[in-house]
Amino acid sequence: KQEVTQIPAALSVPEGENLVLNCSFTDSAIYNLQWFRQDPGKGLTSLLLIQSSQREQTSGRLNASLDKSSGRSTLYIAASQPGDSATYLCAVRVNQAGTALIFGKGTTLSVSS
Amino acid sequence: GAVVSQHPSRVICKSGTSVKIECRSLDFQATTMFWYRQFPKQSLMLMATSNEGSKATYEQGVEKDKFLINHASLTLSTLTVTSAHPEDSSFYICSAPEWGYNSPLHFGNGTRLTVT
Repeated sequence: KQEVTQIPAALSVPEGENLVLNCSFTDSAIYNLQWFRQDPGKGLTSLLLIQSSQREQTSGRLNASLDKSSGRSTLYIAASQPGDSATYLCAVRVNQAGTALIFGKGTTLSVSS
Repeated sequence: GAVVSQHPSRVICKSGTSVKIECRSLDFQATTMFWYRQFPKQSLMLMATSNEGSKATYEQGVEKDKFLINHASLTLSTLTVTSAHPEDSSFYICSAPEWGYNSPLHFGNGTRLTVT
């Protein structure tokens, strides 16, 4: 059974710092991995999608890497801002017939000004 | 970009009543939609996969008679929580793939259900 773990569970940094969020998954047979942002009481915003054949994806100040063989992904946030404060969720898609995502519990990020 | 609309965003109901949550894909067709539930400080847990024109597929431990799913059109799936109890209070969120199984999943804004 696929399990997704995110470390750390919470992180507080001052504005301007670069930071890395970690995600690991137990079964390397994934189709893709997706990073999301969730604001309190809100839905999910997709940040980056990495296909299983890809190593990384970049969008603005965000860079996500994928090492499928070792079951790891990282989300790098450059020059963090208070507006980046949110919970970041990592999810993997493992089912060939369906398209459900398996989520980690998330990392709650707080960026202070 | 692709948008998934979920309604209502918040609902409070009395124990024993039923609540319907709607999930619509606004600018794309979704033959499949997914329903998740999220308890406080917990991860999103997949409840069921909704398939247009056929029966939903439920995850282990999810009561299909309690959580009724209907996917009558290519743009609308509904989740009805029947005979709701306080333990059903949670954040329910739907999602749909924009195209094919390898595409990004787009999520609705979720529904906060409180059963009193």
